[in-house]
Amino acid sequence: EPEVTQTPSHQVTQMGQEVILRCVPISNHLYFYWYRQILGQKVEFLVSFYNNEISEKSEIFDDQFSVERPDGSNFTLKIRSTKLEDSAMYFCASKGGQGSWGEQFFGPGTRLTVL
Amino acid sequence: AQSVTQLDSQVPVFEEAPVELRCNYSSSVSVYLFWYVQYPNQGLQLLLKYLSGSTLVESINGFEAEFNKSQTSFHLRKPSVHISDTAEYFCAVSAPGTGGGNKLTFGTGTQLKVEL
Repeated sequence: EPEVTQTPSHQVTQMGQEVILRCVPISNHLYFYWYRQILGQKVEFLVSFYNNEISEKSEIFDDQFSVERPDGSNFTLKIRSTKLEDSAMYFCASKGGQGSWGEQFFGPGTRLTVL
Repeated sequence: AQSVTQLDSQVPVFEEAPVELRCNYSSSVSVYLFWYVQYPNQGLQLLLKYLSGSTLVESINGFEAEFNKSQTSFHLRKPSVHISDTAEYFCAVSAPGTGGGNKLTFGTGTQLKVEL
């Protein structure tokens, strides 16, 4: 069964460093998402991506964040200069074709720890 | 904007007992409703969804949820739980027709712990 994969499973970085979180969505999906969950808090939407551009982003997704689909299979989230408060579990998700009812399939997450 | 409230952060229950996990939502527009389950060290998996039609929706593993528009609720129930149901359960909403992106808005989750 196709699944969304994410690497690494755990990333530790120093404050101010750049990190890139990687995701491989399900191959024929068209919509891609990043969510994050700070420990003990709810899962929060960061950004959605369709047709090689951002379709929606939250107020969390400021200029320090960027997304890219560099090669047609990977979907990356870059944080340019990490802050302590960026420590969280980051989930990638993908969704199939047109229509507003499709299920979002989630990856297992990357735990980011900023020291 | 939408919001979701899951009042119970933890629900302990004995095996074979019934369980109800509560979810209430707030929205100024019609919404789609979802329950996701997260097993340890795994991603979020869709358990069931309400899009339209019958207000009672069921999953293949015995869970059901009922959409109640007047009470803005989408509580999850199972008449007899199993040890393997131990997991975190997230209620979520999305607003249809928002350009196809349809971000999910999640509740804080309920940890279901099934004990022998």
